[in-house]
Amino acid sequence: EAQVTQNPRYLITVTGKKLTVTCSQNMNHEYMSWYRQDPGLGLRQIYYSMNVEVTDKGDVPEGYKVSRKEKRNFPLILESPSPNQTSLYFCASSLSWGGAPGGPYEQYFGPGTRLTVT
Amino acid sequence: GESVGLHLPTLSVQEGDNSIINCAYSNSASDYFIWYKQESGKGPQFIIDIRSNMDKRQGQRVTVLLNKTVKHLSLQIAATQPGDSAVYFCADLTGFQKLVFGTGTRLLVSP
Repeated sequence: EAQVTQNPRYLITVTGKKLTVTCSQNMNHEYMSWYRQDPGLGLRQIYYSMNVEVTDKGDVPEGYKVSRKEKRNFPLILESPSPNQTSLYFCASSLSWGGAPGGPYEQYFGPGTRLTVT
Repeated sequence: GESVGLHLPTLSVQEGDNSIINCAYSNSASDYFIWYKQESGKGPQFIIDIRSNMDKRQGQRVTVLLNKTVKHLSLQIAATQPGDSAVYFCADLTGFQKLVFGTGTRLLVSP
């Protein structure tokens, strides 16, 4: 089954304790992205990657890191989490991106990771 | 800055009615728009897309209309069912690099 998986689905942690949220897709997609979803603010992009070893900042990258060592995996790293990073996080992937004419561009989303930082 | 937004935060309809969810965008150079559905506890799910060179596109029970003159698009759901209850987002693929999402409209379908 074609899907985007995230782990963990739920995480409660304390300020300053490094954590990683994993994301994996089995669709051979080149483009992957991380979003956070907060009430009243909708989905905001944190980081995106157009291919292996190619990553770039989205709208709200502060406090986050990513890596793309393999095509299928795109982990999100919080080196020193803070309470303002409490949110619902989504990983997404798509076959095509920007400069690739024709698309398809629709992004497929994972089930989400609810993170609480106390 | 550029933004994609929604007119109504909540839309309540009766089962069997047609639903219309609206979205305004501000980037006149937008190339591509997507509608997503997000059910409680799940990630957004792709519904339908439309390119800026089109005015209308139809899917199964859904139609998206794009009015570039007033920078407005809408999602029409025919014969709305309880399973259509969800939050609907429009998104603008800005420069084909990233999706910019609106804040969403909650659709409530009553039996």
